[in-house]
Amino acid sequence: AQTVTQSQPEMSVQEAETVTLSCTYDTSESDYYLFWYKQPPSRQMILVIRQEAYKQQNATENRFSVNFQKAAKSFSLKISDSQLGDAAMYFCAPSGGFQKLVFGTGTRLLVSP
Amino acid sequence: DTGVSQNPRHKITKRGQNVTFRCDPISEHNRLYWYRQTLGQGPEFLTYFQNEAQLEKSRLLSDRFSAERPKGSFSTLEIQRTEQGDSAMYLCASSLAGPQETQYFGPGTRLLVL
Repeated sequence: AQTVTQSQPEMSVQEAETVTLSCTYDTSESDYYLFWYKQPPSRQMILVIRQEAYKQQNATENRFSVNFQKAAKSFSLKISDSQLGDAAMYFCAPSGGFQKLVFGTGTRLLVSP
Repeated sequence: DTGVSQNPRHKITKRGQNVTFRCDPISEHNRLYWYRQTLGQGPEFLTYFQNEAQLEKSRLLSDRFSAERPKGSFSTLEIQRTEQGDSAMYLCASSLAGPQETQYFGPGTRLLVL
C-alpha cells in the first residue's frame, strides 16, 4: 500500500518570494509517477506538475519545479515568484497500480501581498 | 476542448434516500476514476474504469455504492440508502492511458446528507 505524508498543514509566503512544500511517500511500485495538484478554494483540482520516477532530471513548469529524491522517496514542490493566485491547497500524489492516485492530506498555501 | 464535467454540482438529501451523480469525461479519454474527498482531507480513490469495464474498487466502496460506465463514455455513481457519513465531495477524473497519462479532474459533486 502507498502512503503519502505532507508534514506542513499550512505555509505562508509573500508575493514574489519562494516557498517549498514538502512531500514524502512510500511505495512498493517500481514504476510510478508523481504529481502535484492544486485545489483553490471551492474550485476544482488542477494539475501543477508531474514527474516520472525513472527520470533523474527534476521536472519544471514555469515558476514551479520539483526536487525529486527517489532513494529518499521525497518529492518537494518549489514555487518561485509567488503570486496571489497561487493560494490554494496543494496535494502531492504518487500514482500506484493502474495509475490510481494516492493523495496526501495537503498543504494550505497562504500568499500575502 | 471541454474538460471533465460533473452533475449535479451540489446535492442535499435526507438520510435513507438514493442519489445518483454523473461524470462526463474528456471525450477521447478511456480511463475514468471516482474519488471521495471529505473536509480537510485529500481525495481517496473509490473506483476506476477502463472503457466500460470497472477494473478496481476500493474497500471504501460499500455495497450501497455502485458505479457504471455504459459504452465507455459517461459514468454514474449511485449511493443507495444514504447515510450522514456519505457527506463529502465526489470527484471524477479522466485520463488517456499511455506513457504520459495524467488525470484531469472535474469540479466535483458536493453531497450533504441530512
